[in-house]
Amino acid sequence: QKEVEQNSGPLSVPEGAIASLNCTYSDRGSQSFFWYRQYSGKSPELIMSIYSNGDKEDGRFTAQLNKASQYVSLLIRDSQPSDSATYLCAVNMGAGGTSYGKLTFGQGTILTVHP
Amino acid sequence: NAGVTQTPKFQVLKTGQSMTLQCAQDMNHNSMYWYRQDPGMGLRLIYYSASEGTTDKGEVPNGYNVSRLNKREFSLRLESAAPSQTSVYFCASTGTGGGFSNQPQHFGDGTRLSIL
Repeated sequence: QKEVEQNSGPLSVPEGAIASLNCTYSDRGSQSFFWYRQYSGKSPELIMSIYSNGDKEDGRFTAQLNKASQYVSLLIRDSQPSDSATYLCAVNMGAGGTSYGKLTFGQGTILTVHP
Repeated sequence: NAGVTQTPKFQVLKTGQSMTLQCAQDMNHNSMYWYRQDPGMGLRLIYYSASEGTTDKGEVPNGYNVSRLNKREFSLRLESAAPSQTSVYFCASTGTGGGFSNQPQHFGDGTRLSIL
């Protein structure tokens, strides 16, 4: 069974620190990787997409992908209380992307940023 | 700028009742999806529609049916609701071509469904 695994947390960091969220996936042929943020009672909101090995930066967010290790991570620099949410890792596991856009989601990591 | 619209936002049903959850997207996406989200379980795919006129089962299809009414609309039906179907239901869509997609999914606001 194809899986995506995350540490469910909760992960607690002080304001201004770096939060590091990790995700592993089982299908070596996976091509596309996404991080979603979900506030309590709200719908998932896309914050990062990554497709190639290495780092991708967008503001305070950096996504890191290592396909050889089947590992994707999200770093949040200068964490703010408003970053407190559940972060969902999602992977398109179709070989070559031929999965009709289906995503497999991890269980999510709860992040709490305390002042 | 609606994106993905779901109705209703909240619903309470009695065991055995039926209902249809509606979803519409205005982004001209080919593919649409229905998920349920339960505490500690993440998002689980119920059904999806790769393109207009096609539907297929996801991870947890039992107890549900779907209809892809046209390119914009994808509905989810509970024929005989059970307490185990109490959950938050999300509809999502993405652009695909020939089965291929590397695009993210865009989500609606969800329907919170309670079955007594």
